[in-house]
Amino acid sequence: SQTIHQWPATLVQPVGSPLSLECTVEGTSNPNLYWYRQAAGRGLQLLFYSVGIGQISSEVPQNLSASRPQDRQFILSSKKLLLSDSGFYLCAWSRGFEQYFGPGTRLTVT
Amino acid sequence: AQSVTQPDIHITVSEGASLELRCNYSYGATPYLFWYVQSPGQGLQLLLKYFSGDTLVQGIKGFEAEFKRSQSSFNLRKPSVHWSDAAEYFCAVYDRGSTLGRLYFGRGTQLTVWP
Repeated sequence: SQTIHQWPATLVQPVGSPLSLECTVEGTSNPNLYWYRQAAGRGLQLLFYSVGIGQISSEVPQNLSASRPQDRQFILSSKKLLLSDSGFYLCAWSRGFEQYFGPGTRLTVT
Repeated sequence: AQSVTQPDIHITVSEGASLELRCNYSYGATPYLFWYVQSPGQGLQLLLKYFSGDTLVQGIKGFEAEFKRSQSSFNLRKPSVHWSDAAEYFCAVYDRGSTLGRLYFGRGTQLTVWP
């Protein structure tokens, strides 16, 4: 069966510091991968998606970036965090119509 | 453009009562529809999905949803709510015109269950 992991689970970072969130999927190959952000009361916002290694598309211009160095690994990064980057970050994968979500990372920028 | 509306931001029901969460979608063709549930601090879990065929679909945890094309709705129901059903529920529509398999989500409905 397929499993999706995210780490860290919780992160507190000061403004201006770098960020790296990791997502890995097990039990499938060549999945589509997605990064979402949930801010309080704002629903789910799609940040990035990837249909293959090195293929990243961005939905929203911002100071975040994403990379897919391996087939089942998806990384969300920032060089300098802003207060507005705080939120709950969710990674998801799909090979068909439905998406399956990881447990999420709670990021607080102070 | 594709969109999903969940008219109720917050619903409160008593344990054992029936539940219906509303979802309306905007999509040009036959939609692929989903309901997800999110417990506090957790990721989203797929409850059920509709692609075609029988308009009443059964999901996990005793949930069901009915697709009504004439009303552009896909409401989620449960005959008897348990305290463990307290969570946030998201309706989503799949963009079949997209190569990336994008889902458009509603803003969510927060369910509170009173004992």
